[in-house]
Amino acid sequence: QSALTQPASVSGSPGQSITISCTGTSSDIGIFNYVSWYQQHPGKAPKLMLYHVSDRASGVPDRFSGSKSGNTASLTISGLQAEDEADYYCSSYTSSATRYVFGTGTQVTVL
Amino acid sequence: QVQLVQSGAEVKKPGSSVTVSCKASGDTFTSHSYHSVSWLRQAPGQGLEWMGRLMASLDTTNYAPKFQGRVTITADKSTSTVYLELSGLRSEDTAMYYCARDPAFINDAFDIWGQGTRITVSS
Repeated sequence: QSALTQPASVSGSPGQSITISCTGTSSDIGIFNYVSWYQQHPGKAPKLMLYHVSDRASGVPDRFSGSKSGNTASLTISGLQAEDEADYYCSSYTSSATRYVFGTGTQVTVL
Repeated sequence: QVQLVQSGAEVKKPGSSVTVSCKASGDTFTSHSYHSVSWLRQAPGQGLEWMGRLMASLDTTNYAPKFQGRVTITADKSTSTVYLELSGLRSEDTAMYYCARDPAFINDAFDIWGQGTRITVSS
């Protein structure tokens, strides 16, 4: 089971919007709405941001939103803030025995 | 407030085994709030990798094919502690290991994570 494909890095200025893509296959993102997104600051455990493609986890601001089209899911951060600078990982349930596959990770930089 | 607290860092020799614990506080993992507890790992500078899970019923485990035969996930219901045992350690197993809860109301994402346990495999 290959990892989901994400851009290595995305950057934006404070207040701007950025979108991170996550491309999978017809064995994961393409057939399941079990896509989740995690934020990870250096040296910290991952934090759940979105689940079921677009549902926000408890306490996550509505600046974070998610969508899916075909085999690709996306995370959009609107009104980018300094504290949003972190690594972001997508994940999907998969029909393979691996059950869960993660993305390659995207480093978000706030300029 | 539900928390998962993991055991401390370990240094192991190649070929040996390691057991990492994950204790739930604020709730028991056999409660209706849990769907399962998973173990994941992250090698230095790398992404996340799912290793396996124990269902809240405690009677079912699922393992990623990559780790089948080397990994065992068990639990002590009386102490609300889940264990990961990884055998046949090699240098590529050097990583941060996390336990994480998949809650019943989500059922396929991980909302609470342990603080991580660093395992270093070195001769």
